[in-house]
Amino acid sequence: SQQGEEDPQALSIQEGENATMNCSYKTSINNLQWYRQNSGRGLVHLILIRSNEREKHSGRLRVTLDTSKKSSSLLITASRAADTASYFCATENSNYQLIWGAGTKLIIKP
Amino acid sequence: KAGVTQTPRYLIKTRGQQVTLSCSPISGHRSVSWYQQTPGQGLQFLFEYFSETQRNKGNFPGRFSGRQFSNSRSEMNVSTLELGDSALYLCASSLESLGYEQYFGPGTRLTVT
Repeated sequence: SQQGEEDPQALSIQEGENATMNCSYKTSINNLQWYRQNSGRGLVHLILIRSNEREKHSGRLRVTLDTSKKSSSLLITASRAADTASYFCATENSNYQLIWGAGTKLIIKP
Repeated sequence: KAGVTQTPRYLIKTRGQQVTLSCSPISGHRSVSWYQQTPGQGLQFLFEYFSETQRNKGNFPGRFSGRQFSNSRSEMNVSTLELGDSALYLCASSLESLGYEQYFGPGTRLTVT
């Protein structure tokens, strides 16, 4: 399989806590994107980080990229019930294909 | 702007039949890509079209094909359906390529019996 790997597979935290999920990939990339999927809104783009960037912020989201370790992390601060969803990373490789991770299922407990 | 639309939303077919799924991208978006999502394999890239040309293809058999029309609308066809083709098929559009933010449609849930 060409999929990237995400960990943890599932994460359950209390509302208000921070959530961190990780993504590792196998080949060199042009960029890495994070998406969220829930039953209500489908698959939604969160943030894109290019291979020459190390960190990016968007609201309560912080993404880091370490190309030497071929890994990325997504941090969601001050979690809310609405953050309950599956989170996927997708990497654009040198062949301009988008390779997806298996996803992290995040549950926010009230 | 209207979002990405996919039709039909649900489909039940029998093994051996063929199926055509349709996707209308966001106005102005030239890249349309297709994905298969299953519980076992996750999200897998099928192919990408840009200006009516297939620009990229994932590792799927030739039974899976697609096309893009001059108005950027795209169709995906699966011939000789197998039970394993049961999945959620997602279409996404973006301004230029997979290296840009992808906007996803709600998907077509295909069940093969």
